[in-house]
Parts: sequence; C-alpha cells; structure tokens
Amino acid sequence: RKEVEQDPGPFNVPEGATVAFNCTYSNSASQSFFWYRQDCRKEPKLLMSVYSSGNEDGRFTAQLNRASQYISLLIRDSKLSDSATYLCVVRATGGGADGLTFGKGTHLIIQP
Amino acid sequence: EAGVAQSPRYKIIEKRQSVAFWCNPISGHATLYWYQQILGQGPKLLIQFQNNGVVDDSQLPKDRFSAERLKGVDSTLKIQPAKLEDSAVYLCASSFLVGGYEQYFGPGTRLTVT
Repeated sequence: RKEVEQDPGPFNVPEGATVAFNCTYSNSASQSFFWYRQDCRKEPKLLMSVYSSGNEDGRFTAQLNRASQYISLLIRDSKLSDSATYLCVVRATGGGADGLTFGKGTHLIIQP
Repeated sequence: EAGVAQSPRYKIIEKRQSVAFWCNPISGHATLYWYQQILGQGPKLLIQFQNNGVVDDSQLPKDRFSAERLKGVDSTLKIQPAKLEDSAVYLCASSFLVGGYEQYFGPGTRLTVT
C-alpha cells in the first residue's frame, strides 16, 4: 500500500465550478499535513497546511480526519489559473528527520 | 530574498556515466533536502542534511548515489554509475530548521539517462 494515495485524475472541470480532491495516508505517526501545487515543469509550492479543525484560504478549504487518515481539498469558483497538479503531502517527524512524503498528485484542468 | 538555486537545469548522459548536481539553499537555512521526482509521481526524499550532518538517508540508493554538504551551505548529489531508471527531476529544498518549517524547493535538475 502506498503511503499517500490520491486519485491521479485528470479532473476536467468548467471554470467557476467547485472541485474536490481526496487523499488517504497510511502512516498513523504523520503529524503535519499539506497540499502543494505543482505547475507543469515547475517545482512544488506550498498551497496550504491542513489542520484538524479544517482551514480556509480564500477559495480553498482543507479538511483533515485523523481517525480515517483522510485529507481533502475543496476549490470553489475555480479559475483557469487553478489548472495544475495538486500534491497531498504528509510529514512524520522523529530523530530530527522531517522529510515530506508526497502522493502522486491529482491533475486538474480548468476549461473555459 | 533569493530562492534555492540548482545547476545544471538539464543534463543528458548515457547509462553507466557519472553525473553531479549542485544546490545552494536559501541563505540562513540549516536544513537541506534532496528529492527525486520520476515522471508521473510525487517527489521522493533521498537525503536530509542538518547543517553538514546527515539526518536521514534511508531512501538513498547508496550503491550508486552519494551526497555531501561539507561546509553546511551548498550541497552536491552524485550518481555513479547512472541507470536508465535514474531519469527524473532532482529537486533540492531547504528550510530554516528541522521541524515545522516550510520547505522551499529549487527549480530542479532534469536528468535524462539514455
């Protein structure tokens, strides 16, 4: 079983629509959770951290369910510029190590 | 503030050749990471340095990969000899300290092994 699993897509949605991504992780020792965005042939960039209480940043809402080991991302009123790959990321720290574990990513295409 | 710098940006080599990548982290960042991203997959951690010491190299294929950060600033990652399956983007990232700090990624080095 993969440590972080995501639906690779692609998700093709019209501009203005709401789209949701889901992710599950297997390491119950994971302590931090993130969504990263990666544009084609670019480096990953942090989109937002994910907190147990859920958190929102503009049109983006992230949720975490530790009991189910499940993370979600909701994008409302999608824009053409939201087209990218969205990477679900977890981090377990221990012994000074805090490297990130990435899912394969979900490819999103916003259509005009 | 300057970001993470990497060079070269692209490299094409034949299998069994050697290759080296260079990374200069954001100034003042003590922690440096090397990730490998194969096409269609998410990045995978290869090695983590804290200053000039290795914190985690559990996923580094040590029979062919090596990395160093001698003065605790810039770092090199070497592959010797390269295999076809090493074709990937090699991403360097840095963070201020271990634990809880955002990791900033460089633009990566795209390696093609023929």
